[in-house]
Amino acid sequence: GAGVSQSPSNKVTEKGKDVELRCDPISGHTALYWYRQRLGQGLEFLIYFQGNSAPDKSGLPSDRFSAERTGESVSTLTIQRTQQEDSAVYLCASSPGLYTDTQYFGPGTRLTVL
Amino acid sequence: KQEVTQIPAALSVPEGENLVLNCSFTDSAIYNLQWFRQDPGKGLTSLLLIQSSQREQTSGRLNASLDKSSGRSTLYIAASQPGDSATYLCAVRLNTGTASKLTFGTGTRLQVTL
Repeated sequence: GAGVSQSPSNKVTEKGKDVELRCDPISGHTALYWYRQRLGQGLEFLIYFQGNSAPDKSGLPSDRFSAERTGESVSTLTIQRTQQEDSAVYLCASSPGLYTDTQYFGPGTRLTVL
Repeated sequence: KQEVTQIPAALSVPEGENLVLNCSFTDSAIYNLQWFRQDPGKGLTSLLLIQSSQREQTSGRLNASLDKSSGRSTLYIAASQPGDSATYLCAVRLNTGTASKLTFGTGTRLQVTL
Protein backbone atom coordinates (compact mmCIF):
# COMPACT_ATOMS: atom_id res chain seq x y z
CA GLY A 1 0.00 0.00 0.00
CA ALA A 2 0.94 3.64 -0.22
CA GLY A 3 3.32 4.95 2.37
CA VAL A 4 3.73 8.41 3.82
CA SER A 5 4.29 10.98 1.11
CA GLN A 6 5.68 14.48 1.38
CA SER A 7 5.83 17.38 -1.00
CA PRO A 8 7.77 19.08 -2.31
CA SER A 9 10.82 16.84 -2.13
CA ASN A 10 13.07 19.88 -2.40
CA LYS A 11 12.39 23.53 -1.73
CA VAL A 12 14.74 26.45 -2.19
CA THR A 13 13.58 29.78 -0.89
CA GLU A 14 14.93 33.19 -0.07
CA LYS A 15 15.36 34.42 3.45
CA GLY A 16 12.22 36.09 4.70
CA LYS A 17 9.80 34.14 2.50
CA ASP A 18 7.09 31.84 3.87
CA VAL A 19 7.05 28.15 2.95
CA GLU A 20 4.50 25.36 3.27
CA LEU A 21 5.44 21.72 3.50
CA ARG A 22 2.87 18.99 3.01
CA CYS A 23 2.52 15.51 4.46
CA ASP A 24 0.08 12.81 3.41
CA PRO A 25 -0.02 10.10 6.07
CA ILE A 26 -0.94 6.50 5.59
CA SER A 27 -4.70 6.16 5.37
CA GLY A 28 -6.24 5.29 8.71
CA HIS A 29 -3.28 6.45 10.79
CA THR A 30 -4.53 8.70 13.55
CA ALA A 31 -1.16 9.98 14.75
CA LEU A 32 1.09 12.25 12.71
CA TYR A 33 4.50 13.63 13.66
CA TRP A 34 6.82 16.27 12.22
CA TYR A 35 10.59 16.13 12.77
CA ARG A 36 13.46 18.30 11.60
CA GLN A 37 16.91 17.05 10.72
CA ARG A 38 19.60 19.67 10.37
CA LEU A 39 22.91 18.81 8.78
CA GLY A 40 25.04 16.70 11.08
CA GLN A 41 22.39 16.57 13.78
CA GLY A 42 19.82 14.06 14.90
CA LEU A 43 16.13 14.35 14.23
CA GLU A 44 14.37 16.90 16.40
CA PHE A 45 10.73 16.42 17.31
CA LEU A 46 8.58 19.39 16.28
CA ILE A 47 4.90 18.57 16.73
CA TYR A 48 2.44 15.71 16.76
CA PHE A 49 -1.26 15.35 16.08
CA GLN A 50 -3.58 12.65 17.36
CA GLY A 51 -7.10 12.51 16.03
CA ASN A 52 -9.07 15.54 17.11
CA SER A 53 -7.03 16.16 20.25
CA ALA A 54 -5.04 19.33 20.70
CA PRO A 55 -1.62 18.90 19.08
CA ASP A 56 1.57 18.76 21.12
CA LYS A 57 3.53 21.77 19.86
CA SER A 58 6.27 21.53 22.45
CA GLY A 59 9.01 20.97 19.88
CA LEU A 60 8.33 23.95 17.63
CA PRO A 61 11.46 26.14 17.79
CA SER A 62 9.75 29.51 17.40
CA ASP A 63 6.41 31.16 16.68
CA ARG A 64 7.40 31.32 13.02
CA PHE A 65 6.60 27.62 12.87
CA SER A 66 3.04 26.32 12.78
CA ALA A 67 1.28 23.21 11.61
CA GLU A 68 -2.23 22.15 10.83
CA ARG A 69 -3.94 18.88 10.21
CA THR A 70 -7.40 18.36 8.83
CA GLY A 71 -9.01 15.49 10.68
CA GLU A 72 -6.89 12.42 10.21
CA SER A 73 -5.58 13.36 6.81
CA VAL A 74 -3.15 15.82 5.30
CA SER A 75 -0.92 18.01 7.44
CA THR A 76 0.83 21.22 6.49
CA LEU A 77 3.89 22.65 8.24
CA THR A 78 4.29 26.38 7.66
CA ILE A 79 7.44 28.36 8.30
CA GLN A 80 7.03 32.12 8.15
CA ARG A 81 9.81 34.58 7.45
CA THR A 82 12.31 31.81 6.86
CA GLN A 83 15.85 32.12 8.18
CA GLN A 84 19.00 30.37 7.02
CA GLU A 85 19.03 28.24 10.18
CA ASP A 86 15.69 26.76 9.07
CA SER A 87 17.55 24.90 6.32
CA ALA A 88 17.05 21.22 7.07
CA VAL A 89 15.23 18.08 6.02
CA TYR A 90 11.72 18.05 7.41
CA LEU A 91 10.40 14.55 7.99
CA CYS A 92 6.83 13.48 8.59
CA ALA A 93 5.77 10.20 10.16
CA SER A 94 2.44 8.58 10.89
CA SER A 95 1.36 5.72 13.09
CA PRO A 96 -1.88 3.87 13.76
CA GLY A 97 -2.17 5.45 17.21
CA LEU A 98 -0.41 7.90 19.48
CA TYR A 99 0.99 5.23 21.74
CA THR A 100 1.86 2.86 18.91
CA ASP A 101 5.58 2.35 18.74
CA THR A 102 5.96 1.94 15.00
CA GLN A 103 6.19 5.18 13.08
CA TYR A 104 6.25 5.16 9.30
CA PHE A 105 8.37 7.92 7.86
CA GLY A 106 8.03 9.84 4.63
CA PRO A 107 11.03 10.67 2.40
CA GLY A 108 11.26 14.20 3.74
CA THR A 109 11.38 17.69 2.26
CA ARG A 110 14.80 19.24 1.93
CA LEU A 111 14.47 22.97 2.61
CA THR A 112 17.25 25.35 1.66
CA VAL A 113 17.01 28.97 2.71
CA LEU A 114 19.38 31.23 0.80
CA LYS B 1 16.70 16.32 29.17
CA GLN B 2 17.32 13.05 27.35
CA GLU B 3 20.43 13.07 25.18
CA VAL B 4 21.31 10.29 22.77
CA THR B 5 24.83 9.81 21.45
CA GLN B 6 26.05 7.49 18.74
CA ILE B 7 29.60 6.34 18.21
CA PRO B 8 31.26 6.22 15.78
CA ALA B 9 29.87 8.99 13.59
CA ALA B 10 31.12 7.18 10.49
CA LEU B 11 32.44 3.73 9.76
CA SER B 12 33.83 2.04 6.68
CA VAL B 13 34.30 -1.73 6.57
CA PRO B 14 35.00 -4.29 3.87
CA GLU B 15 32.22 -6.61 2.83
CA GLY B 16 31.81 -9.65 5.04
CA GLU B 17 32.98 -8.07 8.28
CA ASN B 18 30.91 -8.13 11.44
CA LEU B 19 30.45 -4.73 13.06
CA VAL B 20 28.97 -3.03 16.11
CA LEU B 21 27.30 0.36 16.32
CA ASN B 22 26.93 2.02 19.69
CA CYS B 23 24.21 4.17 21.18
CA SER B 24 24.12 5.72 24.63
CA PHE B 25 21.41 7.71 26.38
CA THR B 26 21.49 9.81 29.52
CA ASP B 27 18.07 9.10 31.05
CA SER B 28 17.56 5.40 31.76
CA ALA B 29 13.81 5.82 32.29
CA ILE B 30 12.98 4.81 28.77
CA TYR B 31 9.96 2.96 27.46
CA ASN B 32 11.75 1.47 24.49
CA LEU B 33 14.61 1.96 22.06
CA GLN B 34 14.54 1.62 18.30
CA TRP B 35 17.17 1.31 15.64
CA PHE B 36 16.39 2.88 12.27
CA ARG B 37 18.06 2.88 8.91
CA GLN B 38 18.10 6.03 6.77
CA ASP B 39 18.93 5.93 3.08
CA PRO B 40 19.63 9.14 1.13
CA GLY B 41 16.44 10.67 -0.24
CA LYS B 42 14.29 8.17 1.60
CA GLY B 43 12.56 8.08 4.92
CA LEU B 44 13.59 6.15 7.97
CA THR B 45 12.95 2.43 8.19
CA SER B 46 12.56 0.79 11.57
CA LEU B 47 14.92 -2.15 11.99
CA LEU B 48 14.50 -3.33 15.56
CA LEU B 49 12.56 -2.21 18.58
CA ILE B 50 13.54 -3.25 22.10
CA GLN B 51 11.11 -2.73 24.96
CA SER B 52 12.61 -1.59 28.25
CA SER B 53 11.99 -5.01 29.78
CA GLN B 54 13.90 -6.80 27.02
CA ARG B 55 17.62 -7.37 26.66
CA GLU B 56 17.87 -7.95 22.93
CA GLN B 57 16.06 -8.36 19.65
CA THR B 58 17.16 -10.16 16.50
CA SER B 59 16.15 -9.87 12.89
CA GLY B 60 18.16 -11.74 10.29
CA ARG B 61 21.74 -10.53 10.40
CA LEU B 62 20.88 -7.79 12.88
CA ASN B 63 20.99 -8.07 16.64
CA ALA B 64 20.27 -5.20 19.00
CA SER B 65 20.98 -5.30 22.70
CA LEU B 66 19.84 -3.00 25.47
CA ASP B 67 21.38 -2.32 28.87
CA LYS B 68 18.97 0.17 30.34
CA SER B 69 20.76 0.60 33.64
CA SER B 70 23.96 1.71 31.95
CA GLY B 71 22.16 3.67 29.24
CA ARG B 72 23.58 1.73 26.32
CA SER B 73 22.47 -0.15 23.25
CA THR B 74 24.43 -1.83 20.50
CA LEU B 75 23.46 -2.86 17.00
CA TYR B 76 25.42 -5.83 15.71
CA ILE B 77 25.48 -6.46 11.97
CA ALA B 78 26.81 -9.82 10.89
CA ALA B 79 28.47 -10.52 7.57
CA SER B 80 28.04 -6.97 6.28
CA GLN B 81 27.02 -6.37 2.66
CA PRO B 82 27.29 -3.29 0.41
CA GLY B 83 23.51 -2.98 0.65
CA ASP B 84 23.90 -2.31 4.36
CA SER B 85 25.49 1.05 3.53
CA ALA B 86 23.27 3.70 5.11
CA THR B 87 22.98 5.91 8.17
CA TYR B 88 21.86 4.07 11.28
CA LEU B 89 19.93 5.99 13.93
CA CYS B 90 18.91 4.97 17.40
CA ALA B 91 15.97 6.60 19.11
CA VAL B 92 14.51 6.32 22.58
CA ARG B 93 10.99 6.83 23.75
CA LEU B 94 10.54 8.00 27.31
CA ASN B 95 8.13 6.31 29.67
CA THR B 96 4.45 6.09 28.91
CA GLY B 97 2.56 9.30 29.20
CA THR B 98 4.81 11.08 26.77
CA ALA B 99 3.29 9.50 23.69
CA SER B 100 5.59 8.26 21.01
CA LYS B 101 7.84 11.28 20.83
CA LEU B 102 11.23 9.93 19.98
CA THR B 103 14.62 11.36 20.86
CA PHE B 104 17.14 10.50 18.18
CA GLY B 105 20.89 10.17 18.13
CA THR B 106 22.97 11.84 15.44
CA GLY B 107 23.53 8.58 13.62
CA THR B 108 26.39 6.44 12.36
CA ARG B 109 27.09 6.59 8.64
CA LEU B 110 28.12 3.11 7.52
CA GLN B 111 29.85 2.30 4.27
CA VAL B 112 30.46 -1.32 3.32
CA THR B 113 33.00 -1.62 0.54
CA LEU B 114 33.51 -4.40 -1.97
